[in-house]
Amino acid sequence: EAQVTQNPRYLITVTGKKLTVTCSQNMNHEYMSWYRQDPGLGLRQIYYSMNVEVTDKGDVPEGYKVSRKEKRNFPLILESPSPNQTSLYFCASSSPGTGNYGYTFGSGTRLTVV
Amino acid sequence: GEDVEQSLFLSVREGDSSVINCTYTDSSSTYLYWYKQEPGAGLQLLTYIFSNMDMKQDQRLTVLLNKKDKHLSLRIADTQTGDSAIYFCAESPDSSNTGKLIFGQGTTLQVKP
Repeated sequence: EAQVTQNPRYLITVTGKKLTVTCSQNMNHEYMSWYRQDPGLGLRQIYYSMNVEVTDKGDVPEGYKVSRKEKRNFPLILESPSPNQTSLYFCASSSPGTGNYGYTFGSGTRLTVV
Repeated sequence: GEDVEQSLFLSVREGDSSVINCTYTDSSSTYLYWYKQEPGAGLQLLTYIFSNMDMKQDQRLTVLLNKKDKHLSLRIADTQTGDSAIYFCAESPDSSNTGKLIFGQGTTLQVKP
């Protein structure tokens, strides 16, 4: 089944403790992206990657890192999480070669930083 | 700048039609999208429309695009309780092909039995 898999689904952590949210897709998509969803703010892009070893900042990159060493994986790293990073996070992938950027989304990771 | 606006809430009775509206700012957007998010789930692509089209129909879904007014709408015919969800409009404003989508805030559709 074509899908984007995120782990974990739920995570509670303490301020300052490094964490990684994994994202993997099995559709050979070139493009991958991380979004966060907050009430009243909709979805905001954190980072994106157009292909292996090519990453760039989205609209809200502060406090996050990413890497794209393999085409299928795009982990999101929070080096020193803070409470304002409590949010619902989504990974998405697409194959924009045709200009159609319809994303496939993962199921989300609900992160709470205390 | 890039912006997508949607009303936040819509309530309808089961069996009625629902119309969710969206306005966007970037006239260069090639595709416009509607996504559905059910409680506790990720976003699911419902449908999309190419910018040179005025209308697209897919079973109970009808998408209307008014490029002059930069207005997009999603009509759901014979709305069912299973259609209760948050609906997101999105545009792809990206002439440089970075693949970025800009999402609206989402419209919560409540379907009353």
